[in-house]
Amino acid sequence: KNQVEQSPQSLIILEGKNCTLQCNYTVSPFSNLRWYKQDTGRGPVSLTIMTFSENTKSNGRYTATLDADTKQSSLHITASQLSDSASYICVVSAGYQKVTFGTGTKLQVIP
Amino acid sequence: DADVTQTPRNRITKTGKRIMLECSQTKGHDRMYWYRQDPGLGLRLIYYSFDVKDINKGEISDGYSVSRQAQAKFSLSLESAIPNQTALYFCATRPTAGNTGELFFGEGSRLTVL
Repeated sequence: KNQVEQSPQSLIILEGKNCTLQCNYTVSPFSNLRWYKQDTGRGPVSLTIMTFSENTKSNGRYTATLDADTKQSSLHITASQLSDSASYICVVSAGYQKVTFGTGTKLQVIP
Repeated sequence: DADVTQTPRNRITKTGKRIMLECSQTKGHDRMYWYRQDPGLGLRLIYYSFDVKDINKGEISDGYSVSRQAQAKFSLSLESAIPNQTALYFCATRPTAGNTGELFFGEGSRLTVL
């Protein structure tokens, strides 16, 4: 069964600090992995996509990594801002159609 | 204006009532989806449609039905709402090919069944 597990479930950090969110998956065959950001009361929005051949990809202060051998991904947020407070969802695709969602990590950035 | 618009954004109803959630999109995408989000659970697929004549059940379709009225419109119905259908519902779209599968979500419809 395809599964995506995220840790931690929730996280509180001080503004300006860095943090790393984890995603472990057992999805086959692997096509790509996306990180979505979901602000409270809003729909998820894609932050970045990782394909099999990519190890690291950055989008501003967000850096995603992928280790296809261990089936792990991380999302690193640098110099956090209050606007980073959101849920971050890891989504893994097996082929174009089959998509498995993680349960998300809820990040709260406090002043 | 949002590319994927859901109405209503919030709805409170009673057990046994019929409810329709509507979704319209201006992205020109063929594929449309309805998901349900519950606290502590990942988004779960209810129904999806590849075009007007194509409707498919997702993993949790029981108690729900859909209608694809046009390429841009996809509605979700609860024929007889029950309390465990209280959740946040999302419509999403995706093009047929070429974008590596990114889903574009609406703002969500929060449904409470009393």
